[in-house]
Amino acid sequence: RKEVEQDPGPFNVPEGATVAFNCTYSNSASQSFFWYRQDCRKEPKLLMSVYSSGNEDGRFTAQLNRASQYISLLIRDSKLSDSATYLCVVNPGPQKVTFGTGTKLQVIP
Amino acid sequence: DTAVSQTPKYLVTQMGNDKSIKCEQNLGHDTMYWYKQDSKKFLKIMFSYNNKELIINETVPNRFSPKSPDKAHLNLHINSLELGDSAVYFCASSQALAGANVLTFGAGSRLTVL
Repeated sequence: RKEVEQDPGPFNVPEGATVAFNCTYSNSASQSFFWYRQDCRKEPKLLMSVYSSGNEDGRFTAQLNRASQYISLLIRDSKLSDSATYLCVVNPGPQKVTFGTGTKLQVIP
Repeated sequence: DTAVSQTPKYLVTQMGNDKSIKCEQNLGHDTMYWYKQDSKKFLKIMFSYNNKELIINETVPNRFSPKSPDKAHLNLHINSLELGDSAVYFCASSQALAGANVLTFGAGSRLTVL
């Protein structure tokens, strides 16, 4: 089983739609979780951290379910500029940062 | 000022050659990383250094040799390049806060081996 698993997509959604991605992780001792965004031919950039209580940043909501070992990202009112690959990231240990394979989102006009 | 800078941005070379990629960060972070992103877009960690000490060395061929002269620099030297080494190599740095490592990436170095 991979350490961090994501559905690669692509998810093709119309502008204005709500879309959700899930990610599962295998190491139950993992402490920190993040979502990164990677645009085509660019480097990954931090989108948001994921807290146990869940957190929201504008149209983006991240949630953590420790019991089932998954994290989610919800994007409301999708914009064309949201088209990118979304990477689930887990800290399974000190200085260790593991990336999922990414989920590709394409927002269509 | 670019926080994490790596050079060169593009590298095209023949099989069997030796090449180096340099990385520098001006964020004052203690930890630096090399990641490889292949054609399937999977980001795989190769090495991690903390204060110039190697702390993570994944199953990478020993043709790959990282060097960290100080905590702001982490270079990657590759010997006897093979076709399968073609990928984008990302350097990153982080500072652990309450057990969390948030990475800042360089723009990537696209290596093509012919």
